[in-house]
Amino acid sequence: NAGVIQTPRHKVTGKGQEATLWCEPISGHSAVFWYRQTIVQGLEFLTYFRNQAPIDDSGMPKERFSAQMPNQSHSTLKIQSTQPQDSAVYLCASSSTGGTEVFFGKGTRLTVV
Amino acid sequence: AQSVTQPDARVTVSEGASLQLRCKYSSSVTPYLFWYVQYPRQGLQLLLKYYSGDPVVQGVNGFEAEFSKSNSSFHLRKASVHWSDSAVYFCAVSIPGGYKVVFGSGTRLLVSP
Repeated sequence: NAGVIQTPRHKVTGKGQEATLWCEPISGHSAVFWYRQTIVQGLEFLTYFRNQAPIDDSGMPKERFSAQMPNQSHSTLKIQSTQPQDSAVYLCASSSTGGTEVFFGKGTRLTVV
Repeated sequence: AQSVTQPDARVTVSEGASLQLRCKYSSSVTPYLFWYVQYPRQGLQLLLKYYSGDPVVQGVNGFEAEFSKSNSSFHLRKASVHWSDSAVYFCAVSIPGGYKVVFGSGTRLLVSP
C-alpha cells in the first residue's frame, strides 16, 4: 500500500497562471478530502468527495478553485488565475468511510510568484 | 458543529522528560478523537484514535491519550520524549456518522538535548 499519492510535490506558478494538483487516494477508500495548510490559517478543509460524488465544497474559494474526481483512483484540484495568497501546502487525504481516521498524502507545496 | 482547541502553540521539553499536549473539544455528541503528527515536509500521520470504550488509548512510539467527557479533553502524553519526537502535533475530532474531521491549530513540539 503506497498510501495517498500527491503529485507534484512542489509547483511554482506565475501569478495568473493555472495550477492543477493531483491526488491518488488509497485503493478502496470511498472518502477523499482536500485541505489547505498555511502558517497563518493552519489546516483548512476545502472539499470532500464520497464515492466520487462531490458532497461538501464549503471550504473552497468559489471563484477560482475547483475539484473533481473523475474516477475512484484520482482527484484533481484546479486553481485558475493563481494569486500569491494561494501559496500553501495542499493536502489530499482519504478514508474508508467519512469521519473515521483519514490518511494523508505528503502534500503539494504551491508557490505563486 | 464540532471544534477543537489546542491552547499551546509551542511546547519545549528536554529529552527524557515527560510530555503532555493539551486538546479540548466541543461537540454535541461523544465524538471520535484523533492525534496526528506532522514531520517537516510530510503529511499528517495518525498517532492514535479514540472511538469508544477505554478512555486511555495507546498509540505508536509510546504515545497515549486520555479521553475525558467531563472535561471535554483528549490530552496526549508520553513518559519520556526523544529528540525525534520534535514535530507538530494536531488534535482532531469528528462526529460518528458524519464525515468531516476538524483539526486543531497544532502544537509545535521541540525536544531539546
